[in-house]
Amino acid sequence: AQKVTQAQTEISVVEKEDVTLDCVYETRDTTYYLFWYKQPPSGELVFLIRRNSFDEQNEISGRYSWNFQKSTSSFNFTITASQVVDSAVYFCAMKGGSEKLVFGKGTKLTVNP
Amino acid sequence: EAGVTQSPTHLIKTRGQQATLRCSPISGHTSVYWYQQALGLGLQFLLWYDEGEERNRGNFPPRFSGRQFPNYSSELNVNALELEDSALYLCASSLGRVDGDTQYFGPGTRLTVL
Repeated sequence: AQKVTQAQTEISVVEKEDVTLDCVYETRDTTYYLFWYKQPPSGELVFLIRRNSFDEQNEISGRYSWNFQKSTSSFNFTITASQVVDSAVYFCAMKGGSEKLVFGKGTKLTVNP
Repeated sequence: EAGVTQSPTHLIKTRGQQATLRCSPISGHTSVYWYQQALGLGLQFLLWYDEGEERNRGNFPPRFSGRQFPNYSSELNVNALELEDSALYLCASSLGRVDGDTQYFGPGTRLTVL
């Protein structure tokens, strides 16, 4: 069975701080896909990134960066110079062969001005 | 390009009634997924439809059912509503039949059961 663990339930930072959201996954599949979604207070899940298990290259998109390490089964998400608009619940998710997207329980990030 | 749309935004029902939630996928997407986000329980997979067929089902009782129409839109029906069915119901769509294709989510329907 697949499992995604986001150990940080809530994180609070002050604007312009860097923050890293942790994600650890478990799977027996050799091919799998990892995702991050953002859920602002409005409720809609916004897709941020998708990685497949064969591509361990880190990715940077503006202030967002992702670190994928198969050796530690982790797919961490860093926001650099956080802003108030980054306040949201962030979900890490994975999909293996079952086509079922399995989510972590989410990390609520609050960025204070 | 329009995203995934869901209706209604809010739905209030009483225990024992039936609720019908609707979802329209992104144009060109053939797969539709339903998820339940109940307070304290996280996001739980409910159903997956592709090309009009139910492809997978989460660990929910049979009173949760749905269908996908020829235009790929979908309905989720919840019969004999219980108080614990109160949740945000999220619909997602994807291209379908593509390994690991990304699911894009709609704004959700908030169901309240009194």
